[in-house]
Amino acid sequence: DGGITQSPKYLFRKEGQNVTLSCEQNLNHDAMYWYRQDPGQGLRLIYYSQIVNDFQKGDIAEGYSVSREKKESFPLTVTSAQKNPTAFYLCASSMYSGIAKNIQYFGAGTRLSVL
Amino acid sequence: AQTVTQSQPEMSVQEAETVTLSCTYDTSENNYYLFWYKQPPSRQMILVIRQEAYKQQNATENRFSVNFQKAAKSFSLKISDSQLGDTAMYFCAFMKGGMGNTPLVFGKGTRLSVIA
Repeated sequence: DGGITQSPKYLFRKEGQNVTLSCEQNLNHDAMYWYRQDPGQGLRLIYYSQIVNDFQKGDIAEGYSVSREKKESFPLTVTSAQKNPTAFYLCASSMYSGIAKNIQYFGAGTRLSVL
Repeated sequence: AQTVTQSQPEMSVQEAETVTLSCTYDTSENNYYLFWYKQPPSRQMILVIRQEAYKQQNATENRFSVNFQKAAKSFSLKISDSQLGDTAMYFCAFMKGGMGNTPLVFGKGTRLSVIA
């Protein structure tokens, strides 16, 4: 069953704690993305990666970190430096070629709240 | 930098009627793609339709069609024969073309309610 899996569905962070959101895809997609969604803000880009071991900052990267050690995995760490982490986080992936070129497919999201 | 503007925060339509959602964008690029995504209450983002800027023909997908006006930088979505399942947030998005894949730039969304 191909797709993008985000886990956990809900996550709670304590003050000063780092937490990691998981994103795995088995679509053999090349690029992966992290977006943050706040009410009334639409989606904003945190980080993206076009290839393994390489990634670029988005508009709101401060307080977040990522890694891309495997093509299928792109975890996002929300560090204690992110002072307002409460939001809905969406992971997406896309491929460079073929009929679905440039189409981003999304996971089901992770809702992060601060305790 | 590219920007996407959706000027209608909320809209409603009667079941079986037609509704049009507006989107304008600003870019200096000539090669790009435009998208409409739907986010129902489940919050799963679902692609509705895609338009390639170099194609003059407007994209259609069943009951969904777009009116792409490149010179005016306008990209509206028309939903025909609206169904209750169309109730969702709709996001217009821009992607720069070229080598590789680039991130999407989203508008703030339009909340559409289909009324029985």
